[in-house]
Amino acid sequence: EAQVTQNPRYLITVTGKKLTVTCSQNMNHEYMSWYRQDPGLGLRQIYYSMNVEVTDKGDVPEGYKVSRKEKRNFPLILESPSPNQTSLYFCASMAGPGQTNTGELFFGEGSRLTVL
Amino acid sequence: EDKVVQSPLSLVVHEGDTVTLNCSYEVTNFRSLLWYKQEKKAPTFLFMLTSSGIEKKSGRLSSILDKKELFSILNITATQTGDSAVYLCAHSNSGGGADGLTFGKGTHLIIQP
Repeated sequence: EAQVTQNPRYLITVTGKKLTVTCSQNMNHEYMSWYRQDPGLGLRQIYYSMNVEVTDKGDVPEGYKVSRKEKRNFPLILESPSPNQTSLYFCASMAGPGQTNTGELFFGEGSRLTVL
Repeated sequence: EDKVVQSPLSLVVHEGDTVTLNCSYEVTNFRSLLWYKQEKKAPTFLFMLTSSGIEKKSGRLSSILDKKELFSILNITATQTGDSAVYLCAHSNSGGGADGLTFGKGTHLIIQP
């Protein structure tokens, strides 16, 4: 089954304690990206990656890091989380230009993060 | 900066009604407009509209793109309670690629029995 898997799904942590949210897709997609969703602000892109070792900032990258060492994985790293990073996070993937692309962005189930 | 504006932000109708959701956009390099449905979890893909595909239909849902007036609408006929969701519109400046996707804030649709 085609899917994007995120972990953890729920996390409560404290300010300054480094955490990583993992994301893995099994569709061999070239594109992967991270979004955060906040009430009244909608979905905002944090970082995206167009292929292995190629990453770029989205609209709200401050306080986040990513890496793309393998095609299937795209972890989101919060080096020193702060309360304003409390949010619902979605990882997503999509086929690249050399693949069959319907325009569909496949989302993970979401990770709800609370920073105290 | 690309901008996507959806209206209304929320809408309550009765089962069986027809609804029209609006999405206007101001972008520097239009490639495609996408619609998603979000219930209490991840968004699911509905349609992608491009210059070569300005009208899409699937069952009771349909969507059109007006490139001249820079807007799109999503129509749902004979609504059902299962249509209750947040509907998201997004612009992509790379033909649907995840790199240039800008989302609107969504329309929260509630269908009352």
